[in-house]
Amino acid sequence: NAGVTQTPKFRVLKTGQSMTLLCAQDMNHEYMYWYRQDPGMGLRLIHYSVGEGTTAKGEVPDGYNVSRLKKQNFLLGLESAAPSQTSVYFCASLTRTSDYGYTFGSGTRLTVV
Amino acid sequence: ILNVEQSPQSLHVQEGDSTNFTCSFPSSNFYALHWYRWETAKSPEALFVMTLNGDEKKKGRISATLNTKEGYSYLYIKGSQPEDSATYLCAFNSNYQLIWGAGTKLIIKP
Repeated sequence: NAGVTQTPKFRVLKTGQSMTLLCAQDMNHEYMYWYRQDPGMGLRLIHYSVGEGTTAKGEVPDGYNVSRLKKQNFLLGLESAAPSQTSVYFCASLTRTSDYGYTFGSGTRLTVV
Repeated sequence: ILNVEQSPQSLHVQEGDSTNFTCSFPSSNFYALHWYRWETAKSPEALFVMTLNGDEKKKGRISATLNTKEGYSYLYIKGSQPEDSATYLCAFNSNYQLIWGAGTKLIIKP
């Protein structure tokens, strides 16, 4: 049981490049989330999904797109990376009953130069 | 605007001492209150999910209480150990999202 797996763990992008971060969970959780974490700030929600085929904007969605074509995967895309998107990105999932709280992935450290 | 506040922002505690800190959240539209421990260079780890007013949960030396009527939760650590050093986050569950506090950074001094 791997829990929540994020790939890649590290990435350096040039300004204007695109990339996709993958989040995969094997717990059959309905809800999935993408957060970013910046120094001195708490977790900020980028986008989330309450089920396969559905996505919604969080607190800081600009510059990102997401897709949830399969229940177990939640993809975060950066179409044209900017230095302001340098951050650590965390994916999390939650079951509907939420008795155990969120399960987080180990994070992706992204640097945009 | 829903706001979750945690105090203090940071806390230095001598090894062996007990400590506690606070999470304040909106008292309306309450669904659940979460506590997480976040160690440096790791991902947040769920400690408790609390849903009922008066709830008290315990995990080893860590326990938490919940007052939904007045909108606060306390996290207690008994006999602090160096491995307790971390940032402790609380989050208020509203609809499908968690609204996060900024955390209390706990440093245990040997």
